[in-house]
Amino acid sequence: SAVISQKPSRDICQRGTSLTIQCQVDSQVTMMFWYRQQPGQSLTLIATANQGSEATYESGFVIDKFPISRPNLTFSTLTVSNMSPEDSSIYLCSVEGSSGGAADTQYFGPGTRLTVL
Amino acid sequence: GENVEQHPSTLSVQEGDSAVIKCTYSDSASNYFPWYKQELGKRPQLIIDIRSNVGEKKDQRIAVTLNKTAKHFSLHITETQPEDSAVYFCAARAGGGNKLTFGTGTQLKVEL
Repeated sequence: SAVISQKPSRDICQRGTSLTIQCQVDSQVTMMFWYRQQPGQSLTLIATANQGSEATYESGFVIDKFPISRPNLTFSTLTVSNMSPEDSSIYLCSVEGSSGGAADTQYFGPGTRLTVL
Repeated sequence: GENVEQHPSTLSVQEGDSAVIKCTYSDSASNYFPWYKQELGKRPQLIIDIRSNVGEKKDQRIAVTLNKTAKHFSLHITETQPEDSAVYFCAARAGGGNKLTFGTGTQLKVEL
């Protein structure tokens, strides 16, 4: 399976500021996704990061709050904008379609633990 | 859209016993059902998955069964060990799409 890294691994931010999270994969992948996992909760899909076009957002998530970039087949960023304490969560990227795995199998990055004060 | 329900939310078993976690899904077009294990502070890790063209899949102590008619699938762990203690998530993907919908998770505790 692909090796997935995320930066930063954790951060503490002030409300009203923005944080950009990076996701890097060691091989080209077809699909990249961004999830949010609030403490003790399940995984909720924020958006699908599309290479070369705008991301596809799930209900309840908007581009102005969570702008996403995907400039190539190995890299994506998620920005959490104008943060509030309710944005405190773990943000995970996942990938699908990596070499060595089944085409539809998703693998997760290590996550970014965000705390907003 | 797809809705996945997972039960139980917590499960405590004695070491060596079996554990069963059940999930139901709503979209009859769903065709892919992975299970993830998440240890505290770690990323979710795929442990087994099943596609709609088979009814059962086994990998050592772990097995998954799928009943398409009833729209439910289950994870079976035999001969449980303390290292099996974790949160387990089921998920389902509707046919033709890439989106995974996750269940609410099961906290499994294997006691010595």
